[in-house]
Amino acid sequence: AQKITQTQPGMFVQEKEAVTLDCTYDTSDQSYGLFWYKQPSSGEMIFLIYQGSYDEQNATEGRYSLNFQKARKSANLVISASQLGDSAMYFCAMRANYNQGGKLIFGQGTELSVKP
Amino acid sequence: DGGITQSPKYLFRKEGQNVTLSCEQNLNHDAMYWYRQDPGQGLRLIYYSQIVNDFQKGDIAEGYSVSREKKESFPLTVTSAQKNPTAFYLCASSTTGGNTGELFFGEGSRLTVL
Repeated sequence: AQKITQTQPGMFVQEKEAVTLDCTYDTSDQSYGLFWYKQPSSGEMIFLIYQGSYDEQNATEGRYSLNFQKARKSANLVISASQLGDSAMYFCAMRANYNQGGKLIFGQGTELSVKP
Repeated sequence: DGGITQSPKYLFRKEGQNVTLSCEQNLNHDAMYWYRQDPGQGLRLIYYSQIVNDFQKGDIAEGYSVSREKKESFPLTVTSAQKNPTAFYLCASSTTGGNTGELFFGEGSRLTVL
């Protein structure tokens, strides 16, 4: 069975500093996709970044980068130069293959608070 | 603009009543999903559909029902059999049921049982 583990229920970071949100995963599939979503207090789910299991380079999207360590089964999100608007819940997720419905399996989330 | 529309945004229900949450997408996506989120928790899959007229149970399907008669629409009914229906419900869609490509989410429906 596939599983996502986020061990940091809450994190604090000073504005303009970088922060790393941890994510480990478990799967027996060779092909999989890893995602990070941001959920502000309004409740919407905002897609941040994607990493494919066969991608050799770490994904980057603006201030977001994904530190992908396949052997350790980790997919940590790095946010550089934190902003007050980054305060939100962050979810790591893995996407199952088509024969499993292509569903997203989510971790429990990490609540990030950015201090001014 | 293309996107996913969920309605209503807020819904109150008395115990013993069924309620239907609407989810409509104009993204021409084949796959659609319903998730439930409880306070401080991650999202759990209720039902999903990869093609019209077909759907599958997710991890917590008991007390819920769905239909997929049109590509654009995937309504979720919360029945009286659902013991603890108060939650935030999110609908999502995707171009493919494979493991690439993100899921696009609606803004959610917050259901409260009185």
